[in-house]
Amino acid sequence: SQQGEEDPQALSIQEGENATMNCSYKTSINNLQWYRQNSGRGLVHLILIRSNEREKHSGRLRVTLDTSKKSSSLLITASRAADTASYFCATDNYGQNFVFGPGTRLSVLP
Amino acid sequence: DTAVSQTPKYLVTQMGNDKSIKCEQNLGHDTMYWYKQDSKKFLKIMFSYNNKELIINETVPNRFSPKSPDKAHLNLHINSLELGDSAVYFCASSLYQYNEQFFGPGTRLTVL
Repeated sequence: SQQGEEDPQALSIQEGENATMNCSYKTSINNLQWYRQNSGRGLVHLILIRSNEREKHSGRLRVTLDTSKKSSSLLITASRAADTASYFCATDNYGQNFVFGPGTRLSVLP
Repeated sequence: DTAVSQTPKYLVTQMGNDKSIKCEQNLGHDTMYWYKQDSKKFLKIMFSYNNKELIINETVPNRFSPKSPDKAHLNLHINSLELGDSAVYFCASSLYQYNEQFFGPGTRLTVL
């Protein structure tokens, strides 16, 4: 069964606003990663958060992890048109292969 | 200096044919992967290859086979192509298994 699922499936915001995407998963995990995919391109790694971590920051990105709720969130602050992309979470669980969610399509309108 | 490269970028072929997609990484990584992304953008791992250990996703038909001539290359061979094989295939690599992955630009396969 699918491990990670992002929510919402699609999100449209105005430039300058914050965007929040959520990822839920079903089994215990070792790491959770967030990736971005621009249209027609390969995925680009954003942040890796380990199961014993609760929050991580990278520039305008903030990722939280709540293992009790089996969920993670990705916050993009002060969004830009260039942030328009699909965002995926991926989990691995102790020796099993990565499982990607279906992604959130973010549109940042100028 | 492309970190992970794939060839070809586009591949159009007839049902029943056999084709290969090549992948090379110049990052010195130990682990390489193949993913299939379908028309709904859902990304599914097909294989991971780490120090000659192959981990296969059990849902992948045995018409698909990875071949690694050396640590920097992991090619994907597909036999007897079917319409449902049409998708974008991504190669990726990571320093260690389950680390940050670097993706190639993808190969769009269309089976007619």
